[in-house]
Amino acid sequence: AQTVTQSQPEMSVQEAETVTLSCTYDTSESDYYLFWYKQPPSRQMILVIRQEAYKQQNATENRFSVNFQKAAKSFSLKISDSQLGDAAMYFCAYRSGYGGATNKLIFGTGTLLAVQP
Amino acid sequence: DAMVIQNPRYQVTQFGKPVTLSCSQTLNHNVMYWYQQKSSQAPKLLFHYYDKDFNNEADTPDNFQSRRPNTSFCFLDIRSPGLGDAAMYLCATSIPTGRAETQYFGPGTRLLVL
Repeated sequence: AQTVTQSQPEMSVQEAETVTLSCTYDTSESDYYLFWYKQPPSRQMILVIRQEAYKQQNATENRFSVNFQKAAKSFSLKISDSQLGDAAMYFCAYRSGYGGATNKLIFGTGTLLAVQP
Repeated sequence: DAMVIQNPRYQVTQFGKPVTLSCSQTLNHNVMYWYQQKSSQAPKLLFHYYDKDFNNEADTPDNFQSRRPNTSFCFLDIRSPGLGDAAMYLCATSIPTGRAETQYFGPGTRLLVL
């Protein structure tokens, strides 16, 4: 079975600084997808960034980028120029590429990010 | 705006008293999911619907049921809530693309069991 581990329950960053959130996962599959979701307080979870395992190039979305190390099974999220609105719970998630179109997301336990003004 | 809506946002029920949580979507997505998120834990999939086809996770307790009367609505029924069922319940939707589908989440319903 696949597992996702986020070893940092809480992180803090100064506004305008850069922060990296860690995520490791365990799988024997070669085809899979990795996601970072953001869950602001009392608001819905939204997709931040997505990485397909067969792509070597790290995904980037504006101030958000990932460091995908497939051999090490590591998928960290870097937030550059942190803003107050980035404060949220961040979840790393795994989805198998096998078995059908509706494979479930397997989430880590989350990292609560605080942004200090 | 197209979105996933969950009502109510907070629900209080009594131990053993049936409760229903609702989810609606204006995205016209084929797939609807229900996740349970307990405090300080990862969200965990309970079941999902692909159109009318119901797919239950193997470890979802029998106490949890779901109904999807049409594309837009999906309900989570907890027949006899226990104290351990207190959690945030998240509804999500997606269009199955066969590859990197994106799931769109509602804001969740926080269930308290007294």
